[in-house]
Amino acid sequence: AQSVTQPDIHITVSEGASLELRCNYSYGATPYLFWYVQSPGQGLQLLLKYFSGDTLVQGIKGFEAEFKRSQSSFNLRKPSVHWSDAAEYFCAVAGKAAGNKLTFGGGTRVLVKP
Amino acid sequence: GAGVSQSPSNKVTEKGKDVELRCDPISGHTALYWYRQSLGQGLEFLIYFQGNSAPDKSGLPSDRFSAERTGGSVSTLTIQRTQQEDSAVYLCASSLGRGSYNEQFFGPGTRLTVL
Repeated sequence: AQSVTQPDIHITVSEGASLELRCNYSYGATPYLFWYVQSPGQGLQLLLKYFSGDTLVQGIKGFEAEFKRSQSSFNLRKPSVHWSDAAEYFCAVAGKAAGNKLTFGGGTRVLVKP
Repeated sequence: GAGVSQSPSNKVTEKGKDVELRCDPISGHTALYWYRQSLGQGLEFLIYFQGNSAPDKSGLPSDRFSAERTGGSVSTLTIQRTQQEDSAVYLCASSLGRGSYNEQFFGPGTRLTVL
């Protein structure tokens, strides 16, 4: 069965500092990996996705993520955080074996200090 | 263009009552999903429709939960004899097609509270 672990439930970061959110997955084949963001009162929005090819993927809002097969990780990064990045972030996995239903991690809530 | 819409945005009901939650997907999207977001279980898949194929119901937690999709568009999630553990935000998403490479666009959700 596929699963996703986000080890950090909360992260606090100062505005302008860098941010890294961790994601580890378990999947028997090549996974499709996603990062979603959920702002207060908003629906889930896709930040970026990885299917194949270049292991460093760029997304919207200045985010990027790196797929590391050897570590079963897909960590999300942003070089300089803005106050509007305060939100909850979800890593998710999907694959052919499970159709394309998403399996989500528990989420990481990011608080941005001024 | 219009995104995925869901109604109602909030629903408060009494234990034992039935509820219906509605999802209007993005026009032209053939795939439709229901997920549930709760404090205890996080975000979990419930059911998936793709065109005229039989739905994937593998995530439905009990036989009190059912869903249908009429005319390949609007979907209704029905919960019978609601229980307090059904309290959650129910999210609907749609995508252009079956493949995982098709982005799922999420609606704002319906917050269900069972008293």
